[in-house]
Amino acid sequence: EAQVTQNPRYLITVTGKKLTVTCSQNMNHEYMSWYRQDPGLGLRQIYYSMNVEVTDKGDVPEGYKVSRKEKRNFPLILESPSPNQTSLYFCASSSGRMNQPQHFGDGTRLSIL
Amino acid sequence: DAKTTQPPSMDCAEGRAANLPCNHSTISGNEYVYWYRQIHSQGPQYIIHGLKNNETNEMASLIITEDRKSSTLILPHATLRDTAVYYCIVRVGTSGTYKYIFGTGTRLKVLA
Repeated sequence: EAQVTQNPRYLITVTGKKLTVTCSQNMNHEYMSWYRQDPGLGLRQIYYSMNVEVTDKGDVPEGYKVSRKEKRNFPLILESPSPNQTSLYFCASSSGRMNQPQHFGDGTRLSIL
Repeated sequence: DAKTTQPPSMDCAEGRAANLPCNHSTISGNEYVYWYRQIHSQGPQYIIHGLKNNETNEMASLIITEDRKSSTLILPHATLRDTAVYYCIVRVGTSGTYKYIFGTGTRLKVLA
């Protein structure tokens, strides 16, 4: 089954403790992306990747890192999480063809105390 | 970057057509419009997309104005399961690099 898998689905942690949210897709998609969703603000793009070793900032990249060493994986790294990064996070992927839609994962709810 | 503007909420009677508008007046000529919906806090679900022609699939129809400054998503026979937040999204950039701009969405409530 074609899917985007995020782990963990839920995480409660403390300020400053490094964490990684993994994202994996099995559709051989070139484009992958991370979003955060906060009440009243909709989804905002954090980082995106056009292909392996190619990443770029979205609208809210501060405090986040990403890497794209393999086509299927696109982890989101919070080196020193802070409470303002408490949010619902989504990973998405799409083929590299111009107009193809994104497929979203089920989300990761992060709470940083 | 192109932005999208949507009404925050709408109601629709079950069985009737739901027409959800979106304004994207700053859209450029090669930027696609996508519609997704989100039920509770699940991952957004793709509905339909288009560039300048009207589009229809098994879920919905998309009407894009000739000047491309606005579009309307039509759910022809809304059911209770269509209650969700609907997002109109513009993809900005080129084939070399692009990103997606989400609006804040329209909360559609389908009433029995």
